[in-house]
Amino acid sequence: AQSVAQPEDQVNVAEGNPLTVKCTYSVSGNPYLFWYVQYPNRGLQFLLKYITGDNLVKGSYGFEAEFNKSQTSFHLKKPSALVSDSALYFCAAGFQKLVFGTGTRLLVSP
Amino acid sequence: DTGVSQDPRHKITKRGQNVTFRCDPISEHNRLYWYRQTLGQGPEFLTYFQNEAQLEKSRLLSDRFSAERPKGSFSTLEIQRTEQGDSAMYLCASSKPGGGEKLFFGSGTQLSVL
Repeated sequence: AQSVAQPEDQVNVAEGNPLTVKCTYSVSGNPYLFWYVQYPNRGLQFLLKYITGDNLVKGSYGFEAEFNKSQTSFHLKKPSALVSDSALYFCAAGFQKLVFGTGTRLLVSP
Repeated sequence: DTGVSQDPRHKITKRGQNVTFRCDPISEHNRLYWYRQTLGQGPEFLTYFQNEAQLEKSRLLSDRFSAERPKGSFSTLEIQRTEQGDSAMYLCASSKPGGGEKLFFGSGTQLSVL
């Protein structure tokens, strides 16, 4: 079965510190990889994607993600977290249809 | 760009009743997706359309579920004889054609089956 794993239910980080939200995937082929963010009472919003090429992709709001083919991982990163980054983050992989992880809640404290 | 809109935002129904949800995608997007999300889980793929053609359905979609996109614009998702296990957030998304295109999600329809 195809799956996406986000091993941490919650990540806590202090404002100004770097953050990492982990994601590994088990999807056949070379799937497209995505990160989406969900704020309370709002729909999922696209952050960034990896199709091919450079393993480090940059996205919205200063976020970036690092693709590692050998580890089938696509970790989300940000050099300096903001309180406003606190939200629910979803990793997804696939082609026409996406398989989503269960989400990681990011809590950035002042 | 008015975004993806879904109606209604909330639906409460009794077990055994039929419900229908509507999704209006971004106008220039010819792909439309339905996902279902339950508490503590990520969205699960249900089905998707390219224009009016339904190209794929998940095995999660039982015979009680049917989706249409008659003119390649808005879409409806109908659930017949609802069950308590159908309680979830039903999400619609749209995208441009092509591989790796990002999805634009609506705010969802929250279904509660009593």
